Amino acid sequence: QKEVEQDPGPLSVPEGAIVSLNCTYSNSAFQYFMWYRQYSRKGPELLMYTYSSGNKEDGRFTAQVDKSSKYISLFIRDSQPSDSATYLCAMSADGSARQLTFGSGTQLTVLP
Amino acid sequence: GAGVSQSPSNKVTEKGKDVELRCDPISGHTALYWYRQSLGQGLEFLIYFQGNSAPDKSGLPSDRFSAERTGGSVSTLTIQRTQQEDSAVYLCASSPGLASLPDTQYFGPGTRLTVL
Repeated sequence: QKEVEQDPGPLSVPEGAIVSLNCTYSNSAFQYFMWYRQYSRKGPELLMYTYSSGNKEDGRFTAQVDKSSKYISLFIRDSQPSDSATYLCAMSADGSARQLTFGSGTQLTVLP
Repeated sequence: GAGVSQSPSNKVTEKGKDVELRCDPISGHTALYWYRQSLGQGLEFLIYFQGNSAPDKSGLPSDRFSAERTGGSVSTLTIQRTQQEDSAVYLCASSPGLASLPDTQYFGPGTRLTVL
């Protein structure tokens, strides 16, 4: 079993919908939880990160971490066609977040 | 400023040939990482450099894979005697390597390797 599990999708939603993307993990030592966005034929770019538990909001994006359930989520409000991409969760147990363990990614399409 | 660049962007090779993939990190970034991304898979960590040293080579899948970094800047990933299962996108990332946490990694566009 992989340390980080992520539903690969694909997920297709209409413009304006709320999108929920999720990952589960097995390593209780993970302390940094990150979400990367990867457009087709591009490298991943960091969207946001959370340290330990709790919520973090950045514009239309909200990241949630539930360490008791070993479950993290990324919510996208008022989704836009430009949000169409693959979303990768990544986690790290080291204090500098250099050793990242990635999920397999969820492919999202937002239809205009 | 310029981001992480990788070359070539695409590489098609025959089974058994050697290939070299190049990564130019963001200027001033001391840490450099190589990952492999196969179709439908997440990023698989290969190797990490701090300066010119590689404290973590744990992800290299076999002794056919090697990497070096010179001058604390450019890095080359070499795959010898390529196999079809080596076909993937090879991604490079760099990070400042400073005390600020987390040490955010910035990715290049990748090299798409196809082994025929």
